[in-house]
Parts: sequence; C-alpha cells; structure tokens
Amino acid sequence: ETGVTQSPTHLIKTRGQQVTLRCSSQSGHNTVSWYQQALGQGPQFIFQYYREEENGRGNFPPRFSGLQFPNYSSELNVNALELDDSALYLCASSLDTGGGYTFGSGTRLTVV
Amino acid sequence: GESVGLHLPTLSVQEGDNSIINCAYSNSASDYFIWYKQESGKGPQFIIDIRSNMDKRQGQRVTVLLNKTVKHLSLQIAATQPGDSAVYFCAERRKTGAQKLVFGQGTRLTINP
Repeated sequence: ETGVTQSPTHLIKTRGQQVTLRCSSQSGHNTVSWYQQALGQGPQFIFQYYREEENGRGNFPPRFSGLQFPNYSSELNVNALELDDSALYLCASSLDTGGGYTFGSGTRLTVV
Repeated sequence: GESVGLHLPTLSVQEGDNSIINCAYSNSASDYFIWYKQESGKGPQFIIDIRSNMDKRQGQRVTVLLNKTVKHLSLQIAATQPGDSAVYFCAERRKTGAQKLVFGQGTRLTINP
C-alpha cells in the first residue's frame, strides 16, 4: 500500500506566474483535500475533491482551482501567483469525505 | 468563529518525562478531533483521534482527553523520547459539506536529553 505522494517537493515561481501541484492519493482512497500551510501556522483548508467533483471550499480566491482524475489523483492550480502564496501545500487523501486523512509530505512553493 | 487554538506555542521536557499538550476549540458542533505530529520537512502524521461521544482514548504512549464542557482537548505523551520532538497540531472536523479539518497553530515539543 503506497501513501500519498506529492510533486514536486520544492518549487520557485515568480509573482504573476501560474503553478500546478500534483498529488497521488493513497491506494483505495477516493477523496483528496488540499491545505495551505504558511510558515509557523497550521494548515488551512483550500478545497476537497470527491469522485472528481469539488466538494467544499475554504476561504481561498478563485485563482486557486483543482481537478481530480478518474484514478483519484489530483492537481492544485494557482494562477497569478502572489508573494503571500509562498507556503507548504499539503494534499490529504481519505476514503470518502469524512474518513481518516493521510497527508503527503507537501510541496514547498516559494514565490519571488 | 472558526478556530482551534493552542495554549502554548513551545514546550520543553526532559527525556523520559511525560508531556501534556493542550488545545482549545470553539465549535461545539464538531464531532471528531485529531492530533497530528509534524516533523520538519514532512506532512502531518496521524497520532490519535477521538470522537465527540468519548472523553478519553489511549494509544501507544499517547492519551487524548476531551472535555466538551470547556471545549478543551489534550494530548498526553508518556515517557517522551528524542523522536517525539516535533510540532503537534490538534485538528477539529467540521461537519459542513466537505467535513474539513480546522487546525490550530501548533505546539513545538522539544525533548531535552
């Protein structure tokens, strides 16, 4: 059984650019949630995908968008990057929307 | 409002001692609480959870206590080891739509030799 894998592990982008982060969910899990963790803070919920549909969203602007694929892997897209988008982006998978969450190691995004 | 807070941002204990990490939550409708451990460069790792219909739950060297009257959650780690050094987060599951987790800011636990 593989855990949650995220790619890339680190990324540096320039303000205004777009970025795509990827997540492969744990085997058997059909739900993926994305969280943003700023330095020294707890993770903040961005959105959740269940069976390829967005199933809830936190207080993030529309330039944060996502996809879930038939194999339950997921992407997080961020357009028009801002300096404050610099953070660790975490993906968590679960079996159904209220199940136990398994987190990946995250993607460290730096916007300069 | 939406918040799960922690009483102390840092905690230092001697190796072998017991440690207690506290957490306050604000939403009485939350039904599920989780403690996570996060080491540097890694994602949060599940430690133990408790449902709102329970007061106490024990795992291996860890115990979680839930006091719904005062909306307080604690994590007790027995006989701490150097590998316990990490940031610990409590998280609260809100049963609204996506049943998202609301995390606190975290407590950094340092184990002194």
